[in-house]
Amino acid sequence: GAVVSQHPSWVICKSGTSVKIECRSLDFQATTMFWYRQFPKQSLMLMATSNEGSKATYEQGVEKDKFLINHASLTLSTLTVTSAHPEDSSFYICSARTGTISGNTIYFGEGSWLTVV
Amino acid sequence: GENVEQHPSTLSVQEGDSAVIKCTYSDSASNYFPWYKQELGKRPQLIIDIRSNVGEKKDQRIAVTLNKTAKHFSLHITETQPEDSAVYFCAASIQNNDMRFGAGTRLTVKP
Repeated sequence: GAVVSQHPSWVICKSGTSVKIECRSLDFQATTMFWYRQFPKQSLMLMATSNEGSKATYEQGVEKDKFLINHASLTLSTLTVTSAHPEDSSFYICSARTGTISGNTIYFGEGSWLTVV
Repeated sequence: GENVEQHPSTLSVQEGDSAVIKCTYSDSASNYFPWYKQELGKRPQLIIDIRSNVGEKKDQRIAVTLNKTAKHFSLHITETQPEDSAVYFCAASIQNNDMRFGAGTRLTVKP
């Protein structure tokens, strides 16, 4: 299957600082990528849909000024958590869609554990 | 928007038995229903998916059924093995847009 790489896998940052997470599609071009957040023992919650060359579409309740998403190329989307606080600590995971809308599959990155201290 | 409900939240079976996980969705426009398996701290892995033009799909020990009228779909795992133990998520979307996940089912297969 297609490969989606996410970096870093683990990150610890101080409260008030910003941290960037990268999501790359290694062997295909992804016009659309998705960012999810997962708290321990809970489901994946869609945060935003990232479209190459345009602004991300955020889900209700997700602060777009806090979670900055950039999709500058067909293989890279980044999520920046700005002014991080301990409650932002979570597992962040991206996914990318292959192929055309009529017949495509979504593959997930490895995920990034963020701990804000 | 789409709302996906998944049951049960936990499921424990004996090795060799079958396991069934059920999901319902709310948006009749949804037409793509994947199932993912996730081990602790790892990425979800697609194990099987079904599109709305199909009622059933099977891949070895795993099968998925879809009832569009009732808006529910189910995952069936036969001859379960300890390595099937994981959290399973169902999801629903329209052409793979805005995929919404169920709450997950923690499956434990006892040897």
